[in-house]
Amino acid sequence: GAVVSQHPSWVICKSGTSVKIECRSLDFQATTMFWYRQFPKQSLMLMATSNEGSKATYEQGVEKDKFLINHASLTLSTLTVTSAHPEDSSFYICSAFTGGTEAFFGQGTRLTVV
Amino acid sequence: AQSVTQPDIHITVSEGASLELRCNYSYGATPYLFWYVQSPGQGLQLLLKYFSGDTLVQGIKGFEAEFKRSQSSFNLRKPSVHWSDAAEYFCAVGAGSGYSTLTFGKGTMLLVSP
Repeated sequence: GAVVSQHPSWVICKSGTSVKIECRSLDFQATTMFWYRQFPKQSLMLMATSNEGSKATYEQGVEKDKFLINHASLTLSTLTVTSAHPEDSSFYICSAFTGGTEAFFGQGTRLTVV
Repeated sequence: AQSVTQPDIHITVSEGASLELRCNYSYGATPYLFWYVQSPGQGLQLLLKYFSGDTLVQGIKGFEAEFKRSQSSFNLRKPSVHWSDAAEYFCAVGAGSGYSTLTFGKGTMLLVSP
C-alpha cells in the first residue's frame, strides 16, 4: 500500500522558536496533502489543504502566518510552526491524496513547546 | 456541512466477545464513509470504507461495517475481539473533490479486558 512518512516523530522546542515538520509520500505522487491537528483525547481537526504548486487553503480559525505550509513537489509538503508557544503543543498528522478514493496518513508528529 | 457523531467515548469489551462501535453522520449528499484505527502516538490506519454498492463492507483485521441510510449510521463490528484491537477508532465522512476532505468523529477508545 501507499506509504506516507512524516518526520520528525516527535520534537521538543523552546517557546519562540520555529519547527518544521515534513510529510513525504514515498511511493506515489500526492496531488493534495492535508494537515490535521489532534489534541489529547480529541478528534483530528483539519488545519489546511495544500495542492502542489499552489497556496494552501486554511480552515477557519487557523492562522496561516503561524502555520506555514509549503507543497513544493508532488511528494513533499512541510508544515512550519512559527514562533511556537506552549499552546501549539499537539499531535500533528498529515495525509496525502492521490486522486483515488483514499487518503493515506503519516504516523504523526508530537510537538511539545516548552 | 458534514458532521460525524460517535456517541461512545470509550467501550470495554472482553477478549473474544463481539464488538459494535456506533457512528452517525450528517451529510447532504451520498456519504463516503470511513473507519480508521489509531494506536497510541501513531497515525491512522484505514480499516474499511464505503462508497457505494453493497451496504455491508468488509475490512481488514476481521472488521466489517454496515451502512444504513435510513438511520444515517455506519456502525463498525467485529465478531470476536482480540487484545491487540485495543486502540482508538475514528469514523469519518469524506467530502470535497475526490472525497478526500475528511471530517472525523471524536473517536471511541476500545479497551479489551482479559
